Amino acid sequence: QVQLVQSGAEVKESGASVKVSCKASGYTFTNYHIHWVRQAPGQGLEWMGIINTRGGDTSHAQKFQGRVIMTRDTSTNTVYMEVRSLRSEDTAVYYCARETNYFDSKVVDYWGQGTLVTVSS
Amino acid sequence: DIQMTQSPSSLSASVGGRVTITCRASQSISRYLNWYQQKPGKAPKLLIYAASSLQSGVPSRFSGRGSGTDFTLTISSLQPEDFATYYCQQSYINSAFGQGTKVEIK
Repeated sequence: QVQLVQSGAEVKESGASVKVSCKASGYTFTNYHIHWVRQAPGQGLEWMGIINTRGGDTSHAQKFQGRVIMTRDTSTNTVYMEVRSLRSEDTAVYYCARETNYFDSKVVDYWGQGTLVTVSS
Repeated sequence: DIQMTQSPSSLSASVGGRVTITCRASQSISRYLNWYQQKPGKAPKLLIYAASSLQSGVPSRFSGRGSGTDFTLTISSLQPEDFATYYCQQSYINSAFGQGTKVEIK
């Protein structure tokens, strides 16, 4: 069965970096892109970016350009997302999520369990 | 980036009632619009894709309409398990979510 298993919760100081991992199993890793989405406490979903797991190319929401780095390791079927220069407003649950094609439409069909990142000032 | 605007941000409705949520894109996204339901502490669940196609296993009381910039999600007869937060998502260029609509019990 398809699974996306994320790394555990992190507590970081303001200005530091955090790297969250997302290990995929149950499907052919390089056939599906992975999104990163975050959710601050009591807030909505915020799309951060997407990585092509086959070629490694990425695309980000404009607000995260230059501060968020997405990478993948095809030998371990793992995607990584690093956020640099953390600030208190980066405190959120970070999700990885698989994109699939439904009749020429792109949807997110599987989600990781989420990783809580807490930034203390 | 394409911006997605949902309205209302919250609403109260009764069991059996009809609910309509609106989502507007900052530019045309054709029919590349999906709807998700999220319950507290859980990951979102896909309800509708391509603006109006019902995901397998989702009850037929959920329906979606629209194209271009304006879209709606309708729940025809609200059930207790439908009280949740709903998000639209565009998949035309990269992605973006609306800010969500919380559906509460009246």
